[in-house]
Amino acid sequence: DQQVKQNSPSLSVQEGRISILNCDYTNSMFDYFLWYKKYPAEGPTFLISISSIKDKNEDGRFTVFLNKSAKHLSLHIVPSQPGDSAVYFCAASVSGGSNYKLTFGKGTLLTVNP
Amino acid sequence: ETGVTQSPTHLIKTRGQQVTLRCSSQSGHNTVSWYQQALGQGPQFIFQYYREEENGRGNFPPRFSGLQFPNYSSELNVNALELDDSALYLCASRLIGREETQYFGPGTRLLVL
Repeated sequence: DQQVKQNSPSLSVQEGRISILNCDYTNSMFDYFLWYKKYPAEGPTFLISISSIKDKNEDGRFTVFLNKSAKHLSLHIVPSQPGDSAVYFCAASVSGGSNYKLTFGKGTLLTVNP
Repeated sequence: ETGVTQSPTHLIKTRGQQVTLRCSSQSGHNTVSWYQQALGQGPQFIFQYYREEENGRGNFPPRFSGLQFPNYSSELNVNALELDDSALYLCASRLIGREETQYFGPGTRLLVL
């Protein structure tokens, strides 16, 4: 039972355009969401996060949108750069207590073409 | 740079053997979690240690065990290795006061033959 789903295994965009990566979740207890970027032979790098009390969070070229009623979040990258080419993982957790176990999607491979 | 390091980077073992993977994080990172990432999958939570005690476990059998030490280092031990244990093993730690965000090390790639 996959609680976090990234239905697009890959996405290809042109440099300078917008990249939109999508993520859906099924567990209504999730209240904290994160995006990680992963290059080959490296560990996941934290990119941006959002709490369920917000519907948007921005950090430079990266914006995450959360739609709680649809159990959907998306990561927007504007403008996309070739260095953004990587696998992007969506992750979710239930905050509170001492256990912030992350549940990950399978990832989306983003390719930004020059 | 997350300040989380792992060793070794790569490892080859045979079925039935035992393996120990190591992780080191910085001062102030009081919680460590281990994840297994199989090919084509997202990382899966194995377990978490807080103040040297296990305080959360995913759907992994008891032959996966761990330790956390006072010097912010930790170990993942896997006994009786199976072919399906071949994966990237990731260690993640959290800052005190920023527990909701986990910072990952580069991982150890384990191949079981």
